[in-house]
Amino acid sequence: EIQLQESGPGLVKPSQSLSLTCSVTGYTITSGYDWSWIRKFPGNKMEWMGYISYSGSTNYNPSLKSRISITRDTSKNQFFLQLNSVTTEDTATYYCARVNYSGDGDYFDYWGQGVMVTVSS
Amino acid sequence: DIQMTQTPSSMPASLGERVTISCRASQGISNYLNWYQQKPDGTIKPLIYYTSNLQSGVPSRFSGSGSGTDYSLTISSLEPEDFAMYYCQQYDSSPPTFGAGTKLELK
Repeated sequence: EIQLQESGPGLVKPSQSLSLTCSVTGYTITSGYDWSWIRKFPGNKMEWMGYISYSGSTNYNPSLKSRISITRDTSKNQFFLQLNSVTTEDTATYYCARVNYSGDGDYFDYWGQGVMVTVSS
Repeated sequence: DIQMTQTPSSMPASLGERVTISCRASQGISNYLNWYQQKPDGTIKPLIYYTSNLQSGVPSRFSGSGSGTDYSLTISSLEPEDFAMYYCQQYDSSPPTFGAGTKLELK
């Protein structure tokens, strides 16, 4: 069974960097698919942040492009989110998810349970 | 970015009731429309992909339809576990974008 699990600090100070890890079990992230970060803000708005592909290429939401980096550690089957210069507007629950290319369109088929991150001094 | 307008934002409903949630895209999305359910514990799972394809393991009381800019999710007969948040999401063009969500509440 494929499982994704986010981890990282729940509290980050303004202007600092937010760093999260997504640990994947049941599937090797270099075997296929894209691996995304998505966040849900208080008030329920959801935003796709970006992905790293099985080959290591990345694609980011233009709204975040100057602040975001997604990387991976293939030896640990993990991928990471770094978001720089955070503000209180970055307070959200962060999810990692797999992008399934179904042949009938792409969708997020496996999700982590989410990790809540608060940006506050 | 393609804007997704989801209605209603909340919906009180009764067990056994048939409900429909709507989603309108700001431009045509060629049926690249997905639906997700978020439970109160925060877990999210896909229900429907490419407008009407049922994700494996999802009960057949869930169905999706639509074309062009207008799409809908229907639950034919509400079960207790269906009271949750529902989101539409387009993947026709990048960045993928989500609707604002519909909270299905017990009446």
